[in-house]
Amino acid sequence: EVQLVESGGVVVQPGGSLRLSCAASGFTFEDYAMHWVRQGPGKGLEWVSVITWDAVRYYADSVKGRFTISRDNSKKSLYLQMNSLRPEDTAFYYCARGNDLDYWGQGTLVTVSS
Amino acid sequence: DIEMTQSPSSLSLSVGDSVTISCRASQDISYYLAWFQQRPGKAPKSLIYAASYLQSGVPSNFSGSGSGTDFTLTITSLQPEDFATYYCQQYNTYPLSFGGGTKVEIK
Repeated sequence: EVQLVESGGVVVQPGGSLRLSCAASGFTFEDYAMHWVRQGPGKGLEWVSVITWDAVRYYADSVKGRFTISRDNSKKSLYLQMNSLRPEDTAFYYCARGNDLDYWGQGTLVTVSS
Repeated sequence: DIEMTQSPSSLSLSVGDSVTISCRASQDISYYLAWFQQRPGKAPKSLIYAASYLQSGVPSNFSGSGSGTDFTLTITSLQPEDFATYYCQQYNTYPLSFGGGTKVEIK
């Protein structure tokens, strides 16, 4: 069974940093592109970033230069390093598998507030 | 970047009704289109990939069609659990992009 479990969401002050993790199981992790998608309170889905199976990275303009996506295939884990956080980064953050996002985690809540 | 436009943004229907949701891409995305269902307080769930292929376990009252720039999600005989918000998403090109969502509410 495919499972994705996010962790690391907390309340952080504007300008602060945070690292989210996503633990994967039930599939060959290194074969898949992995994504982060977020959803602000009462808002729609917003794509954040992808790391391909061969570690090529892409970012949404809204996070470029502030967020860094990475993966550790030996640990079957995906990460999102978030720096210079802004109130508008407040959202549930989901990890998802493959470009068609066929499996999602349950999400982890990041709140940026003073 | 590719912009995805969904319509309508919301609608009120009864159990047993059918619904068609439209999704338009700002440029040709071939068949690289997925549909998701999101119930309140839950993570999105994949329904359809490659425009028309149902994910395993998705009921057959869901169907998708289209290619190029125009796509539709059709739900026949709405069940109580089908009242949710639906999103389309293109994966032809990075950055990926989602439609704004269609909320299907019970009348």
